[in-house]
Amino acid sequence: DIQMTQSPSTLSASVGDRVTITCRASQSVSGWLAWYQQKPGKAPKLLIYGASSLQSGAPSRFSGSGSGTQFTLTITSLQPDDFATYYCQQYNSYLTFGQGTRLEIK
Amino acid sequence: QLQLQESGPGLVKPSETLSLTCTVSGGSISSSTYYWGWIRQSPGRGLEWIGSIYYSGSTYYNPSLKSRVTISVDTSNNQFSLKLTSATAADTALYYCARSIPSVAASGRFDYWGQGTLVTVSS
Repeated sequence: DIQMTQSPSTLSASVGDRVTITCRASQSVSGWLAWYQQKPGKAPKLLIYGASSLQSGAPSRFSGSGSGTQFTLTITSLQPDDFATYYCQQYNSYLTFGQGTRLEIK
Repeated sequence: QLQLQESGPGLVKPSETLSLTCTVSGGSISSSTYYWGWIRQSPGRGLEWIGSIYYSGSTYYNPSLKSRVTISVDTSNNQFSLKLTSATAADTALYYCARSIPSVAASGRFDYWGQGTLVTVSS
């Protein structure tokens, strides 16, 4: 099965910062990669699909890039509402999630 | 607005079967456009996809759970269900149901999620 590894596990940043989270797949998933945001006590919320397509309703400060085995989620100009945990998910072969990146306030 | 709601026992005894139902409202589960899936989350395993089902009944399971999982669909009640046999403490988790957009891997990204239901496996 395909393993997804995110880095860093925790990221400290300030409002207004630009941050990048990385997701690496153990084998190529082509562009079949999604990103989710999860807040405590809530279900994950889809942000990005197809590696770089913005889900309807997601703020435009979120963007995704990459293909094959290396992907990034970038948040430009962090807002207070963005402090949460982020997960990547591949859907090229079965479905697997990364272990998550917790974005905390510095 | 599509809504999904999980229901079922919050406590299951070891070796018994964990059974959950997801009721879909605001849309038809019979739509040929979507898969419907189960995902669980626990501190030890993180987010883990359990399996997905198409309205026709075609299923797609996580290979690591396949021997214990059955997902079924009830189009007349707009519901789909999960059964996980031989439950152990390792199956203790928050269980989510969600709608999935089909992709190359059959079931793909999840765009609508239920709120989740906590299931504890303990005697």
